[in-house]
Amino acid sequence: EVQLVQSGAEVKKPGESLKISCKGSGYSFTSYWIGWVRQMPGKGLEWMGIIYPGDSDTRYSPSFQGQVTISADKSISTAYLQWSSLKASDTAMYYCARLTTVTYYFDYWGQGTLVTVSS
Amino acid sequence: DIVMTQTPLSLSVTPGQPASISCKSSQSLLHSDGKTYLYWYLQKPGQPPQLLIYEVSNRFSGVPDRFSGSGSGTDFTLKISRVEAEDVGVYYCMQSIQLPLFTFGPGTKVDIK
Repeated sequence: EVQLVQSGAEVKKPGESLKISCKGSGYSFTSYWIGWVRQMPGKGLEWMGIIYPGDSDTRYSPSFQGQVTISADKSISTAYLQWSSLKASDTAMYYCARLTTVTYYFDYWGQGTLVTVSS
Repeated sequence: DIVMTQTPLSLSVTPGQPASISCKSSQSLLHSDGKTYLYWYLQKPGQPPQLLIYEVSNRFSGVPDRFSGSGSGTDFTLKISRVEAEDVGVYYCMQSIQLPLFTFGPGTKVDIK
């Protein structure tokens, strides 16, 4: 069974750093891209970027380039999303999802990590 | 960039009745490989999105056959033949023809009358 399990909810202050994780299991982690999707409170879905854990090839949405860093550790089947300096506007639910490369869609999703940034 | 629009943005349906959601893209989603890169997701309350339909009309594993997708080029439709209480949530269309840029529609909220 394909599973993506994300790290737990975080409460941070503006300016702090953060790294959240997404651990894949039940499939070959290095053979599929992993994507990150943001959902701000009460809003829709926004694609942030994708990473290929096999070689760490990473692509970012122009809206998020320079704002976050996506990485992966294939030895532990885990992808990461990190911020160096959080802002209140980063408050959102963040989902990781597996990207199938048949025609490039997200077929399995993590349960989400809620990030709250507040002073 | 491709812009995705959905109509209506909200829909209230009587159980057992049909429902239909439209999704339009600003550019054709038909790829030179002959496939159309249009997908549908349902996000139930408090849950992550789940894949319903891929490549316009193919139901994902475990998706009930009351869900169907159709369309071509820039115009697509998701239909629910008989809405059930468990179908409430927000429905999103998504395109991926413009890799690596993925775009979601704004979402259509479906609730039960």
